Formats: sequence, structure tokens, C-alpha cells
Amino acid sequence: EPEVTQTPSHQVTQMGQEVILRCVPISNHLYFYWYRQILGQKVEFLVSFYNNEISEKSEIFDDQFSVERPDGSNFTLKIRSTKLEDSAMYFCASSASMSASYGYTFGSGTRLTVV
Amino acid sequence: GQQLNQSPQSMFIQEGEDVSMNCTSSSIFNTWLWYKQEPGEGPVLLIALYKAGELTSNGRLTAQFGITRKDSFLNISASIPSDVGIYFCAGPAGGTSYGKLTFGQGTILTVHP
Repeated sequence: EPEVTQTPSHQVTQMGQEVILRCVPISNHLYFYWYRQILGQKVEFLVSFYNNEISEKSEIFDDQFSVERPDGSNFTLKIRSTKLEDSAMYFCASSASMSASYGYTFGSGTRLTVV
Repeated sequence: GQQLNQSPQSMFIQEGEDVSMNCTSSSIFNTWLWYKQEPGEGPVLLIALYKAGELTSNGRLTAQFGITRKDSFLNISASIPSDVGIYFCAGPAGGTSYGKLTFGQGTILTVHP
């Protein structure tokens, strides 16, 4: 079964450092997403991306965050200057449909720890 | 924004027992999705509901779309240890946010053998 692949599975970084989280979505999907889950809390929407531009972003997704699809397969989330409160699981997801009604396929996540 | 409230927050049950959990919202949803998250993994879609009153099964799982469109229920029959995980309800945010999902806070299920 096709899957969304995320790397690394765990990243530890110092506060103030830049991190790039990487995702390889399912190959025929056109819609891409990043979600975040702080330990013990619910999954929260960060950003959606289609046709090489952001479709929607949440208030969490401030100027420190950016997304990019640098080639035909990768989808990245960059945090420019990490803060302690950025520590969370970050999930990439992809979908063949614009509508979330059909659900997405999520990756296994990257656990980001900011120290 | 839209909020989904799940209950109970956690459940500790014996293997073989049936489980019931629910999700409520102050606003109407046109789709209800139920996801399961196992430790160290991303959420996996279990069941999708698209019509008020709809009852849908997936093996031992049964979910219902509430008549008011403001709630949904998930039942697991004859639980087994691999049912352990966090169960989330989710729904499309609506309006112009076609692609965005709103998640509940989850129900943590523990099954004792």
C-alpha cells in the first residue's frame, strides 16, 4: 500500500537553530499538508499546499515556518529559528482530493525536540 | 473556530469487552472521520461517514453519524490488545477550508489481556 514517508523520525535541535523536516508524499497525490501534535494533545493543522503554493495556513504557521516542494517528490517544512514550544510531532499528509472529506494519508511523523 | 469534543478521554478495559466513544461539536459537520493513532505512528483512517444517520462498519468497528450532524459515535466490539491506541474524530473545517481537518482531542484506549 502506498505510504507517506517522513525523515528523520526524530530530530533534536538547539533553540534558535533551523530545522528542515522532510516528507515524500504518495506519488500521484496533489495536495499536501503539515500537522503538528504537541505531546498528549490533539493533532493541529499547520498548512496545506497545492500547485506549488500555500492554500491555507493556521495562526500557528507564522513567519518562522515555510514549506517547499523543491522537486517532484519531496515536500519540506522549515522552521527558521526553533523555540522550545516547537517541540512536537510533525506529521506530513497527502491527498488525491482537494476535499478533506475523504481523509488523507499521514506519515509516521518526525518527533522534534528543541533543547 | 470549530471544536470537537471527545469522551471519554481515556478507557481501560479488559480484552473481549465492547467499547463506545463519542465526539460532539457545537457546529454542524457534513463529514465525520474516525482515525486511530498507534504509538509512534501517524493517524490512520478507520471509517468515514457522509450522511446524517449513517451507520458504517469496518470489521469490529461501527461508527454512526448523528442525526443532528453535531455528533458521531464509534463502537468497537470484542476488543483485542491490538486495539490499543488513541482514537480521534475529525471533520473538514468547512467554509472555504476544504482541505483542512479539525481533530478532537482523542480517546486513549488501553486493553488489558
